Amino acid sequence: EVQLLESGGRLVQPGGSLRLSCAASGFTFSNYGMTWVRQAPGKGLEWVSVISGSGGSFYYADSVKGRFTISRDNSNNTLYLQLNRLRAEDTAVYFCAKDLEEQWLGPVAMEDYWGQGTLVTVSS
Amino acid sequence: QSALTQPPAASGSPGQSVTISCTGTSSDVGGYDYVSWYQQHPGKAPKLIIYEITKRPSGVPDRFSGSRSGNTASLTVSGLQAVDEADYYCSSYAGSKAIFGGGTRLTVL
Repeated sequence: EVQLLESGGRLVQPGGSLRLSCAASGFTFSNYGMTWVRQAPGKGLEWVSVISGSGGSFYYADSVKGRFTISRDNSNNTLYLQLNRLRAEDTAVYFCAKDLEEQWLGPVAMEDYWGQGTLVTVSS
Repeated sequence: QSALTQPPAASGSPGQSVTISCTGTSSDVGGYDYVSWYQQHPGKAPKLIIYEITKRPSGVPDRFSGSRSGNTASLTVSGLQAVDEADYYCSSYAGSKAIFGGGTRLTVL
């Protein structure tokens, strides 16, 4: 059974940093691209970033480019998102999700399994 | 690119069909076959129900169908059931990124 478990969300001050983790199990982690999607309270979904199975390719939304860094540790089946220079508008539940296809397609937003999310609150 | 445009709300009675639109541009919805639809119930993670415009993941009922005409994609839910009441989001590949629609709240009357 595929399972994705996010952690690391908490209250952080504007300008601060945070690292989110997503522990994966139930599939061959290194074979699949992985995606982060966020959802501000009461708002819609926003695509954040995607990384290839090998970790060698990645893409970011314009709103986080230069501030967030996606990475993965295939030996520990874990996906990461480093959040720097946080702003109030980054407040959201952050979901990690597994790409549907083994073939790396880039940022195509086809995710078949999702975690339950971790809440990041940016406030002073 | 801005978010794709969806109607904020849609509704239908049990057994009826409802169609939700998702309008983009030739740089996203109209330019690539990577259009997906997600269903999200309150407090839950999104669920993929349509990918590559028309395809359904295994386990998704055939009451859900997708299509595209020009720069507008559509999701049709046939034979509406109470369990279909949820938020629906479209998404599309847009070059070096993906984008979502603003979401449509489907109410089953």
